[in-house]
Amino acid sequence: DAGITQSPRHKVTETGTPVTLRCHQTENHRYMYWYRQDPGHGLRLIHYSYGVKDTDKGEVSDGYSVSRSKTEDFLLTLESATSSQTSVYFCAISAGSEATHGYTFGSGTRLTVV
Amino acid sequence: AQTVTQSQPEMSVQEAETVTLSCTYDTSESDYYLFWYKQPPSRQMILVIRQEAYKQQNATENRFSVNFQKAAKSFSLKISDSQLGDAAMYFCAYKRGAQKLVFGQGTRLTINP
Repeated sequence: DAGITQSPRHKVTETGTPVTLRCHQTENHRYMYWYRQDPGHGLRLIHYSYGVKDTDKGEVSDGYSVSRSKTEDFLLTLESATSSQTSVYFCAISAGSEATHGYTFGSGTRLTVV
Repeated sequence: AQTVTQSQPEMSVQEAETVTLSCTYDTSESDYYLFWYKQPPSRQMILVIRQEAYKQQNATENRFSVNFQKAAKSFSLKISDSQLGDAAMYFCAYKRGAQKLVFGQGTRLTINP
């Protein structure tokens, strides 16, 4: 979707290094989300944001932190990457918390931790 | 917490035939939304169809339709006249109110020519 972009699209990093993934939206949506996708688990929520500087944890937040200093950008940081964090990471957006039409997703970032 | 279960990790169908993907969910609520997302090899998550729980009529979008059984907490996706472009991962998802979107494990659909 042209309104939401993720960078990088692919990344390989070494165990123990910090990694930051970026999500950028042009829709001026209030809500932004980070999910990870793993085989057999579907997509699981890591963190989400309901406004600038307002963030909260999802179900698999350990080892991750987020920041949102501007409406359009939501950053996901792995402070010290581990092999268990090898995954595909998706950012999503919604205008409101109700989101009765679901979320709009970015194209994902494939992260490999070696 | 709500859970969504897709019990078929993989499915396959012959081109032009019909296939049904299963999804069950666990909730004690009466008002919620259900979704099917398609994820082709490009990785993009595409909304296929949505169902409002308070509506008894099953949602339909062209060749895609659902069988929503509220009492049984079942939400299956039927794809008619399957096409090669339908090959993808399909995810069932649940949402209620301000709660976050919860996904099932996914079903990989293969279309045989």
